[in-house]
Amino acid sequence: NAGVTQTPKFRILKIGQSMTLQCAQDMNHNYMYWYRQDPGMGLKLIYYSVGAGITDKGEVPNGYNVSRSTTEDFPLRLELAAPSQTSVYFCASSYGGAGGGYTFGSGTRLTVV
Amino acid sequence: QKEVEQDPGPLSVPEGAIVSLNCTYSNSAFQYFMWYRQYSRKGPELLMYTYSSGNKEDGRFTAQVDKSSKYISLFIRDSQPSDSATYLCAMSEDNYGQNFVFGPGTRLSVLP
Repeated sequence: NAGVTQTPKFRILKIGQSMTLQCAQDMNHNYMYWYRQDPGMGLKLIYYSVGAGITDKGEVPNGYNVSRSTTEDFPLRLELAAPSQTSVYFCASSYGGAGGGYTFGSGTRLTVV
Repeated sequence: QKEVEQDPGPLSVPEGAIVSLNCTYSNSAFQYFMWYRQYSRKGPELLMYTYSSGNKEDGRFTAQVDKSSKYISLFIRDSQPSDSATYLCAMSEDNYGQNFVFGPGTRLSVLP
């Protein structure tokens, strides 16, 4: 049972480039989330989805886009990368609300130079 | 004032010590609380989930919520070097996953 799988693990982007961070879960969770984690700050919610075809903005959505065409996959798209997007990105999933807690992936460490 | 605050540490203790990790918060409507453990370069993993006030115990871990003081704690008994990690608290008014607010985390080091 793989849980939540994120790819790539590391990436260096140049300013203005674009990329997609991949996230897949095999637990049949309907809720999926994207967070970013910066030093000294709590996890900040970027986007979330309550099911296939349904997405909504979190606290810090600017500069990002998401889609949810299947229950399993929830990719995060960065358009026109900026140094402020240097961060560690975590994808998470949960069944229904958060009663059982989130299951997190191992993260993507992104540097924009 | 940040919504959820934690002492960032690092907190260093000898093996076998009792560890107390704490979060304070400003929103009196929070009633769902979680503690996560995050090893270096890994994703957070759920340790404890509690609702409203009171204590919850799971093995060497005890979660305590004091809503009157807007203060939650995680106690670790007989701490082990394998407990060395960053501990994050998270809390919400409701049980919707998108509404949980995370603290910045406390880094713990248990020395053998």
